[in-house]
Amino acid sequence: NAGVTQTPKFQVLKTGQSMTLQCAQDMNHEYMSWYRQDPGMGLRLIHYSVGAGITDQGEVPNGYNVSRSTTEDFPLRLLSAAPSQTSVYFCASSYSGVGEKLFFGSGTQLSVL
Amino acid sequence: TQLLEQSPQFLSIQEGENLTVYCNSSSVFSSLQWYRQEPGEGPVLLVTVVTGGEVKKLKRLTFQFGDARKDSSLHITAAQPGDTGLYLCAGNPWGGSARQLTFGSGTQLTVLP
Repeated sequence: NAGVTQTPKFQVLKTGQSMTLQCAQDMNHEYMSWYRQDPGMGLRLIHYSVGAGITDQGEVPNGYNVSRSTTEDFPLRLLSAAPSQTSVYFCASSYSGVGEKLFFGSGTQLSVL
Repeated sequence: TQLLEQSPQFLSIQEGENLTVYCNSSSVFSSLQWYRQEPGEGPVLLVTVVTGGEVKKLKRLTFQFGDARKDSSLHITAAQPGDTGLYLCAGNPWGGSARQLTFGSGTQLTVLP
């Protein structure tokens, strides 16, 4: 039972570098989302998708890009990393995203130096 | 300012004690969820409350949704070390996007043996 799989688990970047955080789910969920978790801030929504080819911005989208070419995958791209993007990133999915149980991945700890 | 305020932020108690964690807002929510998160893992859904005044029980955990749908509480009876974790409330504000779940900043609970 894989559920939601995130890679990598840990990543260190230098300011200005780019990278992609990978997220895959095997539950045939239409809704996928990315959150960042910072101390004392809870989880904040970055971007979400309600199906292949459809994405939308959440609360804190600046500095991040997403695409959804398949139902299974929802990568998060940092085009030019900044120290303010140091955080723990979580990918989550659900059937439709409306008041349902969210299934979370185990997170990616990202440090930007 | 957080849309959902959780209190207390930190709580350390002895095994066997009872405790209550609160999730408050000035906004009305169509539903509220409670998640528990353990170190290095993503949040896991405990319960969803939908109706104002609703009470749900999950073994030693009792969840209540306020009559006005603006607040919720989580009560744990006879806490055990296995209850240790970060408890997060999350909800969809009434009239807001149903697919943008808002999280509180969490209550870090430590139960000492």
